[in-house]
Amino acid sequence: SQQGEEDPQALSIQEGENATMNCSYKTSINNLQWYRQNSGRGLVHLILIRSNEREKHSGRLRVTLDTSKKSSSLLITASRAADTASYFCATDAVDTGNQFYFGTGTSLTVIP
Amino acid sequence: NAGVTQTPKFQVLKTGQSMTLQCAQDMNHEYMSWYRQDPGMGLRLIHYSVGAGITDQGEVPNGYNVSRSTTEDFPLRLLSAAPSQTSVYFCASSYSDGSYEQYFGPGTRLTVT
Repeated sequence: SQQGEEDPQALSIQEGENATMNCSYKTSINNLQWYRQNSGRGLVHLILIRSNEREKHSGRLRVTLDTSKKSSSLLITASRAADTASYFCATDAVDTGNQFYFGTGTSLTVIP
Repeated sequence: NAGVTQTPKFQVLKTGQSMTLQCAQDMNHEYMSWYRQDPGMGLRLIHYSVGAGITDQGEVPNGYNVSRSTTEDFPLRLLSAAPSQTSVYFCASSYSDGSYEQYFGPGTRLTVT
């Protein structure tokens, strides 16, 4: 079974608003990564947060990690139409090392 | 620097046919992997490799074979195609382990009739 699940499944916002999506996972992890996928394309890495980190920033992205709740959130501030895409979290669990588990994704639509 | 390349982009197979999906990377990455993406299911790991000559099974390995004879190439073989293998297949590569970002290829859309 998949390690991660994103919530919500779909999100529609106006340009300029903030978008928040959440990821929950099942077992202890080494790292958690977020990826973006534009329609019909491969995934692109956004940000990585290690299990001993609680928050990380990259440009308009802010990621938090709560290992006690086995959850992470991705915040995109001041969204743009170009942010329209699907967003996935991926984890590598402590007990399966080199295997990555992706969540089911959040589909974000930013309306101009 | 081409990154991760996959061929073909599209393929239609009949049930029972076999074929090989090609994946190559020019970044000298040790770790390579194959995923399938189905609607509503996210990406699921099929097989992965941590270096030339080393491969291992992922979450959904049945019906697929892999080999890693060079650092650059990681082909995925479908032994006897089934309609359940209709999916989009992605190859990815990264440095040694999960503490590094994965680079994804553009994908192969496979339909089995």
